[in-house]
Amino acid sequence: QKEVEQDPGPLSVPEGAIVSLNCTYSNSAFQYFMWYRQYSRKGPELLMYTYSSGNKEDGRFTAQVDKSSKYISLFIRDSQPSDSATYLCAMSAISGGSNYKLTFGKGTLLTVNP
Amino acid sequence: GAGVSQSPSNKVTEKGKDVELRCDPISGHTALYWYRQSLGQGLEFLIYFQGNSAPDKSGLPSDRFSAERTGGSVSTLTIQRTQQEDSAVYLCASSLAGAVEQFFGPGTRLTVL
Repeated sequence: QKEVEQDPGPLSVPEGAIVSLNCTYSNSAFQYFMWYRQYSRKGPELLMYTYSSGNKEDGRFTAQVDKSSKYISLFIRDSQPSDSATYLCAMSAISGGSNYKLTFGKGTLLTVNP
Repeated sequence: GAGVSQSPSNKVTEKGKDVELRCDPISGHTALYWYRQSLGQGLEFLIYFQGNSAPDKSGLPSDRFSAERTGGSVSTLTIQRTQQEDSAVYLCASSLAGAVEQFFGPGTRLTVL
């Protein structure tokens, strides 16, 4: 079993839909949870990061962490065609003082159709 | 401001050749990470540098892979005697010391024929 599992999709939704992206993990040491967005042939771009369980909102994006279930989610409201990309969840545990090396899910390919 | 830059953007090489990939982190970022993104495995950690501390090399897949960081800034990832399974996108990320957020470069797409 991989440390981080993410459904690769693809996921196709109409413009304006609410999108839900999810990851599960097995390593209880993970403390930091991130969502990255990656456009084709570009590097990943950090969308949000959370530390504790609960919700964090930033504009149309909401990140949710449930440490008891080892489950994280990203919700996108009023999805736009420009949101079409691969979404990667990533997690980190502190290692050796300040080493926040990331463990990634395989990414979910999202297409928002106009 | 300038983000993380990587060069070359694309590299095609023959099996058995050595390659060098370069990363320029964001100015002032003392932490630097290398990751590899391949179709089958997703994004995987390779190596971490922080200041003058010994690097964390735990993610390097074999002794054909090595990296250095000169002067606490630019980093070079070297792959010796390349194999076809080394074909992937090599991504560099940097962050402020003690910060969780990592900022990625555009990557170098390596193809080994």
